[in-house]
Amino acid sequence: DVKVTQSSRYLVKRTGEKVFLECVQDMDHENMFWYRQDPGLGLRLIYFSYDVKMKEKGDIPEGYSVSREKKERFSLILESASTNQTSMYLCASRAHSHAEAFFGQGTRLTVV
Amino acid sequence: EDQVTQSPEALRLQEGESSSLNCSYTVSGLRGLFWYRQDPGKGPEFLFTLYSAGEEKEKERLKATLTKKESFLHITAPKPEDSATYLCAVQAGTASKLTFGTGTRLQVTL
Repeated sequence: DVKVTQSSRYLVKRTGEKVFLECVQDMDHENMFWYRQDPGLGLRLIYFSYDVKMKEKGDIPEGYSVSREKKERFSLILESASTNQTSMYLCASRAHSHAEAFFGQGTRLTVV
Repeated sequence: EDQVTQSPEALRLQEGESSSLNCSYTVSGLRGLFWYRQDPGKGPEFLFTLYSAGEEKEKERLKATLTKKESFLHITAPKPEDSATYLCAVQAGTASKLTFGTGTRLQVTL
């Protein structure tokens, strides 16, 4: 079974802090994604990566950056956390562009 | 811009009462349509992929169908454990990303 593991289930951070969310997949997938999920808005794509050191902006990249130094690991960085970044963050990976995506368990981030 | 609309937003069924969830989409060049189930506080769990109009997939009490404009997730004789949010997503053109709808929240009661 594919396993996508996010480093934290719950996080509470202060406004202005730099926040790192980590995601690791164990199936050698090429593509990795970061989404945020908010009530009434569904899942919105923040960034994705199709290879090591490669990244592309999704629909809502402002206030975020990403890092993919190794194939199995994709990190989401909130440069200066703000209260409007309080959300559920979901990491996903896909073997290739025709395959289904597998999701991690999510990180519920609260910025106070 | 790719758009995915799911209806209804919420659905309450009694155990055994069959129904359908709808996912309508507007995309340029559909490459695949995906159905996921999401339980509260958890990540989405993959159910089905459909690639072309007329295709159908089944798994236990669930059956997914696809036309050129929409997909249906049919739930036959649901049980309380089918209660969850069901998400639909599309992939279009050459992009790798999936565009999601906002989901249908299903509650099945005894």
